[in-house]
Amino acid sequence: GEDVEQSLFLSVREGDSSVINCTYTDSSSTYLYWYKQEPGAGLQLLTYIFSNMDMKQDQRLTVLLNKKDKHLSLRIADTQTGDSAIYFCARGGGSQGNLIFGKGTKLSVKP
Amino acid sequence: SAVISQKPSRDICQRGTSLTIQCQVDSQVTMMFWYRQQPGQSLTLIATANQGSEATYESGFVIDKFPISRPNLTFSTLTVSNMSPEDSSIYLCSVEGLAGGPGELFFGEGSRLTVL
Repeated sequence: GEDVEQSLFLSVREGDSSVINCTYTDSSSTYLYWYKQEPGAGLQLLTYIFSNMDMKQDQRLTVLLNKKDKHLSLRIADTQTGDSAIYFCARGGGSQGNLIFGKGTKLSVKP
Repeated sequence: SAVISQKPSRDICQRGTSLTIQCQVDSQVTMMFWYRQQPGQSLTLIATANQGSEATYESGFVIDKFPISRPNLTFSTLTVSNMSPEDSSIYLCSVEGLAGGPGELFFGEGSRLTVL
């Protein structure tokens, strides 16, 4: 299987919470990341979590890390239409500048 | 954060031709990175562009196919040589965040190449 796996699609209604899940096989990374890619734009770093943390909250974003299960999630509270984008989970690849990405989860927000 | 500009933003190319993508950063950086994002796939690191030395290529990528230049600390080019339809991808330039940060990368908007 893939090193970093994500479901490809998620659809939610405006105002609901979105939860995007990610699993990975290599637990040696110091940091794990969430990136957002809006249509026609480059990737934007949303947030990251240090591997010895369980949770990190940043305004509407909550990252949960379960190291035992190698599972990372991104929760977006009160999802808005502007949150529609592709969200990539990534882990450090062990060398400088090398991040291992998942294939991305396309989040669609319905009014 | 760094501001990264890429040219061209998109292009349609004929099989067998080569195209050079430019990346300009608004601050001096030691390393610049080139990624590829194939349709429906994750991003994959092609190579690291070092100023003053040859680029370092990841497994599966070779200099003859993806020659890279790094003439100074704010600029790099990636050439996709002898293109085939399989090279149709988004090519992204990236740099690391501030020294001492958690290793995050900042990306340009990408260059979308379609090879016919």
